Amino acid sequence: AQTVTQSQPEMSVQEAETVTLSCTYDTSESDYYLFWYKQPPSRQMILVIRQEAYKQQNATENRFSVNFQKAAKSFSLKISDSQLGDAAMYFCAYYERGQNFVFGPGTRLSVLP
Amino acid sequence: NAGVTQTPKFQVLKTGQSMTLQCAQDMNHEYMSWYRQDPGMGLRLIHYSVGAGITDQGEVPNGYNVSRSTTEDFPLRLLSAAPSQTSVYFCASGLSGPDTQYFGPGTRLTVL
Repeated sequence: AQTVTQSQPEMSVQEAETVTLSCTYDTSESDYYLFWYKQPPSRQMILVIRQEAYKQQNATENRFSVNFQKAAKSFSLKISDSQLGDAAMYFCAYYERGQNFVFGPGTRLSVLP
Repeated sequence: NAGVTQTPKFQVLKTGQSMTLQCAQDMNHEYMSWYRQDPGMGLRLIHYSVGAGITDQGEVPNGYNVSRSTTEDFPLRLLSAAPSQTSVYFCASGLSGPDTQYFGPGTRLTVL
């Protein structure tokens, strides 16, 4: 089964600074999807960004961007100009067709004023 | 659109009791799924459905039953609750698969 690892249980960043959250995964497939989800204290799971493995261009969504390194099986999330509302748990996730959707254990991000 | 709705938001059960967690979506999505979230473990897939009348097991299906009689609804049944089933449960739906899924607000279940 595929596994997703997030090696940073907790991270902190100063408001307006940039932070990078790490994610690595294990697969032998070439066609798959990767995701970052945000879970604020409200508990709602919110999709932040989605990357299709066949696309070489890194996905971006406003202040959120990823560094997708397919050969290294690495999928990090960069948050620029951090805001207080970015404080949340962030989950990396992996999906390939025909297999279960797999989440990592999460990284708790604190934003310091 | 209401999106994905879950009821109840909170529930406390005694060991051995049964209950059904409700999930509904109004987006005409074919794919629906149930996850549980435990501390330090992220979300784990319990069961999923790719359309009405079709269900399949995920990573942690034991102790749970599902059915999908309509496109809109995907209830999760606990036949005999156990303390190990204390968790937060999320329902999600996607147009054709989990690659574009939306999550409901979750149900916090405590089994005493």
